[in-house]
Amino acid sequence: ELKVEQNPLFLSMQEGKNYTIYCNYSTTSDRLYWYRQDPGKSLESLFVLLSNGAVKQEGRLMASLDTKARLSTLHITAAVHDLSATYFCAVVGGGGADGLTFGKGTHLIIQP
Amino acid sequence: NAGVTQTPKFQVLKTGQSMTLQCAQDMNHNSMYWYRQDPGMGLRLIYYSASEGTTDKGEVPNGYNVSRLNKREFSLRLESAAPSQTSVYFCASSDLGPNYGYTFGSGTRLTVV
Repeated sequence: ELKVEQNPLFLSMQEGKNYTIYCNYSTTSDRLYWYRQDPGKSLESLFVLLSNGAVKQEGRLMASLDTKARLSTLHITAAVHDLSATYFCAVVGGGGADGLTFGKGTHLIIQP
Repeated sequence: NAGVTQTPKFQVLKTGQSMTLQCAQDMNHNSMYWYRQDPGMGLRLIYYSASEGTTDKGEVPNGYNVSRLNKREFSLRLESAAPSQTSVYFCASSDLGPNYGYTFGSGTRLTVV
């Protein structure tokens, strides 16, 4: 059974600081996704990571994938308030065919 | 380009009532999915459809049925709603081409009283 674990589940940080969210998964998968969700909204796709060593960056967010360790990280650089949201990682598999299995999400609050 | 459209956006049901959540996509995707989102649980797969005419159970299928009406539409039915089905439901479709993208609808917030 595929399990996806995120940590931390809750994070409060100050603007300007750096931090990393971790995503571990239990079985081999060839695709990992990061999503952002604002309260009451749908999921917004941030990154798709398709291979070992993949690194993608968009603004203050950078995601990486280590398939051997079954670990992905989402790094936040010099956080700003607008990045406050819940972040989910998701892995293909476990849910049937190409369905996604999600972590429980990291609720991120960035305080001025 | 509408993407994935879900209706309704909000619904309140009484225990034992039935209803169908509708989902349509206009991106010519083969695969479609229904997820539910509960606080602190992330999203969990209810049912999926890899192609028109096929459906399969996901992680939490009990109490639900689905229909893949055609390539565009994938509906989720609650035959006899229970309070445990109070949740936010998301429909999604996927492109297994080079982008491997998943597109999510805006969600249906369902309350069963």
